[in-house]
Amino acid sequence: DVKVTQSSRYLVKRTGEKVFLECVQDMDHENMFWYRQDPGLGLRLIYFSYDVKMKEKGDIPEGYSVSREKKERFSLILESASTNQTSMYLCASSRRVGLAYEQYFGPGTRLTVT
Amino acid sequence: GQQVMQIPQYQHVQEGEDFTTYCNSSTTLSNIQWYKQRPGGHPVFLIQLVKSGEVKKQKRLTFQFGEAKKNSSLHITATQTTDVGTYFCAGPGSSASKIIFGSGTRLSIRP
Repeated sequence: DVKVTQSSRYLVKRTGEKVFLECVQDMDHENMFWYRQDPGLGLRLIYFSYDVKMKEKGDIPEGYSVSREKKERFSLILESASTNQTSMYLCASSRRVGLAYEQYFGPGTRLTVT
Repeated sequence: GQQVMQIPQYQHVQEGEDFTTYCNSSTTLSNIQWYKQRPGGHPVFLIQLVKSGEVKKQKRLTFQFGEAKKNSSLHITATQTTDVGTYFCAGPGSSASKIIFGSGTRLSIRP
């Protein structure tokens, strides 16, 4: 079974702090993703990576950066946390099956910025 | 950009009733996927459809892909409390590995 793990289930940070969210997958997937999920807004893509050291902006990259130094690890960085970044953050990795890429999600990190 | 629209946003049914959620795209999709997210959980892949008019079943769940490959539906027969959650459809994004999620349909059930 694919396993995607995230460093924390719950995190509370103060405004202005630098925040690191870590994600690790154990299935040698090339593609990894960071989403945030907010009530009524569904899943919004922040950044994704299709290879080590490669990254591409998603729909809402402002205020975030990412790092992928190793294939299995994809980190999301909030350079200076703000209250509007309070959200559920979901990491995913994907593998190609036929024409499509199936995504496998981690358990999520609920971040509260106070 | 490409969007995948999903309706309804919420559905509240009596246990044993049927449930359907619909997904629509303005462009032809090469494939469509469905995911389920239980309350407090994370999205879990259910199924992928690739052929025009394709119908797939998983026990009480029936998934359809439209003939024009622009719409899809998920139908649950005789809902049970274990079906509670949010169901998302997802279509291919602008680059090969990206997918675009619909806004989801949240299903709640009266026992």
